[in-house]
Amino acid sequence: DIQMTQSPSTLSASVGDRVTITCRASQSISSSLAWYQQKPGKAPKLLIYKASSLDSGVPSRFSGSGSGTEFTLTITSLQPDDFATYYCQHYYAYPCTFGQGTKVEIK
Amino acid sequence: EVQLVESGGGLVQPGGSLRLSCAASGFSFSSYWMGWVRQAPGKGLEWVANIKQDGSEKYYGDSVKGRFTISRDNADNSLYLEMNSLGVDDTAVYYCARPSFSSGSYFDYWGQGTLVPVSS
Repeated sequence: DIQMTQSPSTLSASVGDRVTITCRASQSISSSLAWYQQKPGKAPKLLIYKASSLDSGVPSRFSGSGSGTEFTLTITSLQPDDFATYYCQHYYAYPCTFGQGTKVEIK
Repeated sequence: EVQLVESGGGLVQPGGSLRLSCAASGFSFSSYWMGWVRQAPGKGLEWVANIKQDGSEKYYGDSVKGRFTISRDNADNSLYLEMNSLGVDDTAVYYCARPSFSSGSYFDYWGQGTLVPVSS
């Protein structure tokens, strides 16, 4: 099975900061990677698919990059609504697996 | 508007069984793979199972293989998850989710989730 490792686990940041979250795959997954945002008590929301494609309606301050085994999610100018937990997920093969999550907290 | 509404969650004893349902609307249900993802309290997301449009292909995560069965009724726009031999480690919120375009895919729509506590 392909393992996904996110870093950091927790990130403290201020409104307006640029934030970068990393996701590493245990083997190459090409660009078969998605990013989700989850707020407490809510279902995950798709942000990015195919490593760098922004889902419809997602603000342009979110961007994704990478291919192979290393991927990043970047939020330029963090907004109050962005404090949440973020997960990566590969869909290269079954079983599709998620990273352990990165919680973005208010500094 | 795409809507996925789960039901059937509730307290179950270890070793027990439960059947979850997901009512889908706002899209052509029979044209999409469907899946279940779960999240234990305070933990991350875990993919559980996916099922093909006509039910002819099913895939399961290792932790549920042989105990859980995914199924669907396209006439009723419904997805199901039959869970047997439940253990405390199966305690989670179970989400119904739609893979975007194919078998192994990202999930573009999610339900609100249904909580399944397994406890004596």
